[in-house]
Amino acid sequence: GQQVMQIPQYQHVQEGEDFTTYCNSSTTLSNIQWYKQRPGGHPVFLIQLVKSGEVKKQKRLTFQFGEAKKNSSLHITATQTTDVGTYFCAGRSDNDMRFGAGTRLTVKP
Amino acid sequence: EPEVTQTPSHQVTQMGQEVILRCVPISNHLYFYWYRQILGQKVEFLVSFYNNEISEKSEIFDDQFSVERPDGSNFTLKIRSTKLEDSAMYFCASSVQGSTGELFFGEGSRLTVL
Repeated sequence: GQQVMQIPQYQHVQEGEDFTTYCNSSTTLSNIQWYKQRPGGHPVFLIQLVKSGEVKKQKRLTFQFGEAKKNSSLHITATQTTDVGTYFCAGRSDNDMRFGAGTRLTVKP
Repeated sequence: EPEVTQTPSHQVTQMGQEVILRCVPISNHLYFYWYRQILGQKVEFLVSFYNNEISEKSEIFDDQFSVERPDGSNFTLKIRSTKLEDSAMYFCASSVQGSTGELFFGEGSRLTVL
């Protein structure tokens, strides 16, 4: 079945440093979504990528979808303490959406 | 802002007991999902539901699990005979569209099996 791998598992950065998390799917995806989960909270939708090679930006966040629609990345420029949480990619193939293991980001002020 | 609501927020049960977790999806949404998250681990897909039937289920969703939408608003997950390893946070989610819609998650129901 479909599997979505996400790395790294943890990332600890100094405030102001950049952060990137990567997702790879074992199958071609119809779309990929990114979610953020604050400690003790529930996943909250950030963005969806549909087209091959698509790049979307939300302020300091840049999301990319690979040409083959099997990988994706989230890059945060100049992290802030409010960025802490776990970032999950979720790849959709057929009728279900599978989440990556998540990357837990901590930011030291 | 409309939201997905889940009850109970926390349930403690004895191994072997039946548990029902309830969810009220956003009213105009058509697709419903259950996910679970063992503490500190990934969000795992359990089942998706559309048009009053299961559209997809994972290998985790075995015969001990069932879902139903009994009254057109509630969407329930039943675990027939709970095991210790069923202890997790269970998230309900809903979406307007099935193939491209964003998922709106509830706050979760924490299940502890003793």
